[in-house]
Amino acid sequence: GAVVSQHPSRVICKSGTSVKIECRSLDFQATTMFWYRQFPKKSLMLMATSNEGSKATYEQGVEKDKFLINHASLTLSTLTVTSAHPEDSSFYICSARVRGRGETQYFGPGTRLLVL
Amino acid sequence: EDQVTQSPEALRLQEGESSSLNCSYTVSGLRGLFWYRQDPGKGPEFLFTLYSAGEEKEKERLKATLTKKESFLHITAPKPEDSATYLCAVQGLGNEKLTFGTGTRLTIIP
Repeated sequence: GAVVSQHPSRVICKSGTSVKIECRSLDFQATTMFWYRQFPKKSLMLMATSNEGSKATYEQGVEKDKFLINHASLTLSTLTVTSAHPEDSSFYICSARVRGRGETQYFGPGTRLLVL
Repeated sequence: EDQVTQSPEALRLQEGESSSLNCSYTVSGLRGLFWYRQDPGKGPEFLFTLYSAGEEKEKERLKATLTKKESFLHITAPKPEDSATYLCAVQGLGNEKLTFGTGTRLTIIP
């Protein structure tokens, strides 16, 4: 149990376009979902925390107008990178916390974004 | 501010050679300590959650232990498929988020 999926797994886009990444909890309801960014050979950097039906809480230094997060249901959260630029190229990973199963976060497989 | 330090940064072992990875932490009240395994190009895979000092958990060749200042991930008779980066993270009381260490990159040589 506790499976999290992400789509797409890989995306290449032109500078200036917007990209949407979906994160789904497949076999459980997630009270809270998290979005991380990871640079090569570095650890995970939390971007934002989202609770279903509420506005996301962004970490310091993360532009909320650039990284739009929508947590529409207990099984789906989306991250939209608006007007993407090459510096937004990165590995984006979501995680979900299982309702009623403590604090453990379960991670998705990640989305590799390359902005040309 | 919560802090996590993992050591060593990288570790190469022969197949079958047991060892331990260290995770030292400082947190104002521990809500949970987490171990994950991450393969290149993939998201972290959950291994263990530890909540209080003295707690131990095992899964196949891995065993995680916890004290008030550090956690160890013991790997017994590792196999090449155990090669990965192992991440440690803590969550403090009153905190939603995890603080991650930089990981230990483990390589098991056949």
